[in-house]
Amino acid sequence: TQLLEQSPQFLSIQEGENLTVYCNSSSVFSSLQWYRQEPGEGPVLLVTVVTGGEVKKLKRLTFQFGDARKDSSLHITAAQPGDTGLYLCAGLDGGGADGLTFGKGTHLIIQP
Amino acid sequence: DAGITQSPRYKITETGRQVTLMCHQTWSHSYMFWYRQDLGHGLRLIYYSAAADITDKGEVPDGYVVSRSKTENFPLTLESATRSQTSVYFCASSDRTSGRRDTQYFGPGTRLTVL
Repeated sequence: TQLLEQSPQFLSIQEGENLTVYCNSSSVFSSLQWYRQEPGEGPVLLVTVVTGGEVKKLKRLTFQFGDARKDSSLHITAAQPGDTGLYLCAGLDGGGADGLTFGKGTHLIIQP
Repeated sequence: DAGITQSPRYKITETGRQVTLMCHQTWSHSYMFWYRQDLGHGLRLIYYSAAADITDKGEVPDGYVVSRSKTENFPLTLESATRSQTSVYFCASSDRTSGRRDTQYFGPGTRLTVL
């Protein structure tokens, strides 16, 4: 079973600060996705990265896929209270399995 | 434009009872998935289906049964509910046409409590 380790599990920072969330595995994934989940709702896809070393930007959010396709990071610049939520990384197995392998998530709270 | 819906949203049942969670999508996506979300475990795949009448086990299938007679529906049945099946259950769908960039669309979830 492939595992994705996310860190930190919980993060509470002040508005305007920067932060980075990490997603690491000992296994190679064909692609890595980042989701955001609000309370009482299902996860919503933010981004997919598929190429080793790929960097994608979504406004103040920067996503990076490691060169070996085993790890990824999410960096938020100048965090805002609206960024509060549960951030999940998920890997797609290139070996034939059809579901996503999720990390346990990072609970992010941005205080005004 | 309903997208993907789940019912019921909340369910309380007793140990040993049979419970069916419903999932319906309006996009005609070929793939559908069931996940459970638990504190300390994150989201884990229970079953998935590549098309009508084709289903396969995920990471945690024990105690669950699925069927898919129609493309748009993918019910999940707990044949004899146990307390360890208390969880939030999410259904998802995907058209699987984008390869490694496929997007899974999640329903709002069903919060199930087994007493």
